[in-house]
Amino acid sequence: AQKVTQAQTEISVVEKEDVTLDCVYETRDTTYYLFWYKQPPSGELVFLIRRNSFDEQNEISGRYSWNFQKSTSSFNFTITASQVVDSAVYFCALSESFGNEKLTFGTGTRLTIIP
Amino acid sequence: ETGVTQSPTHLIKTRGQQVTLRCSSQSGHNTVSWYQQALGQGPQFIFQYYREEENGRGNFPPRFSGLQFPNYSSELNVNALELDDSALYLCASSWTGVGTDTQYFGPGTRLTVL
Repeated sequence: AQKVTQAQTEISVVEKEDVTLDCVYETRDTTYYLFWYKQPPSGELVFLIRRNSFDEQNEISGRYSWNFQKSTSSFNFTITASQVVDSAVYFCALSESFGNEKLTFGTGTRLTIIP
Repeated sequence: ETGVTQSPTHLIKTRGQQVTLRCSSQSGHNTVSWYQQALGQGPQFIFQYYREEENGRGNFPPRFSGLQFPNYSSELNVNALELDDSALYLCASSWTGVGTDTQYFGPGTRLTVL
């Protein structure tokens, strides 16, 4: 069975600080995909990144970076120089096989950036 | 924006009634997935439709059913509504085939059951 754990329920940081959101996953599959989605107050889930289990390279996209470590089953997300617009709920998710199938989500981390 | 649309935006029903939610997938996508998100929780997978057939189902009772149409749009039907069905219902579209793609979500339908 798949499981995604986001232990941080809520985080508040002052604008321009860096913040890391933790994600730990469980799966018996050797092929799987990991995702991060952002959910602003409007409710729509916004796709941020997809990473497959064979690619452990870290990724950077602007102020966002992701650290994938298979050894610890973790896929952490860091926002550098946070901005008020980063305030949202962030979800980590896992999908087996081709990455297009059932997504198993964590419970989310509510991030508040204080101006 | 993803190009995935859902209707209606909000809906209020009473216990025991039936409801139909609609989703139009993003252009070029052939697969639709439905999720239920209770307040303060992560989305839970209900089912997925591909080529007009159910292609995987989560732990939801049979009173949750769906359809996919030839244009790849989809409906989610819930019969005999219960108070616990109150949630945000999210639809996601994706491409299944060569170069399988990520699921992109619509804005959701917020259902309140009284």
